[in-house]
Amino acid sequence: AQSVTQLGSHVSVSEGALVLLRCNYSSSVPPYLFWYVQYPNQGLQLLLKYTSAATLVKGINGFEAEFKKSETSFHLTKPSAHMSDAAEYFCAVLVSGGYQKVTFGTGTKLQVIP
Amino acid sequence: EAGVVQSPRYKIIEKKQPVAFWCNPISGHNTLYWYLQNLGQGPELLIRYENEEAVDDSQLPKDRFSAERLKGVDSTLKIQPAELGDSAVYLCASSLGGLAGRNEQFFGPGTRLTVL
Repeated sequence: AQSVTQLGSHVSVSEGALVLLRCNYSSSVPPYLFWYVQYPNQGLQLLLKYTSAATLVKGINGFEAEFKKSETSFHLTKPSAHMSDAAEYFCAVLVSGGYQKVTFGTGTKLQVIP
Repeated sequence: EAGVVQSPRYKIIEKKQPVAFWCNPISGHNTLYWYLQNLGQGPELLIRYENEEAVDDSQLPKDRFSAERLKGVDSTLKIQPAELGDSAVYLCASSLGGLAGRNEQFFGPGTRLTVL
């Protein structure tokens, strides 16, 4: 069964610093991968998705992620953190051609320090 | 375009009481999902509908949980009777369905349930 593992339940960065949130996936077939963001008391919002096209995916709010098959990773990055980036981030995997079931990771809470 | 609408946003009940959550998906979205999100965890799928058909309810505790999606639009999730462990956020999401590449899910704000 497909799964994702997010390393680090909490990440703190200084405003203006690089943001790196880690996600490793497990899937026996080519996966579709997603990053979602959740602000307090809100639902999840899609940041970006990988669907087997370009391995470097650009999303909203300056975030991007790179699919690395050899490392089974899909880490999320942003060159310069902004205070408004403080939120919880979820990596998710969907097995292509399957039952359309998305499995979410446990989330990483990003704190941005002024 | 209106997003996914859920109500109520917050609900506090005593254990053994029934509770119901309502979801109105984005217009035109055939697929509707109900998720359970515990504190500090990612969403876990409870049930997925394709139009009015429940195509994946394997994680729905059917002894106390039930759901329906009449006419393939709005959906209701019910718990009867509620237990203390049901305290969580219940998220509804919708998507166009079809090919996996179109499976961006749009989430509602959730209903935060507290069972006392």
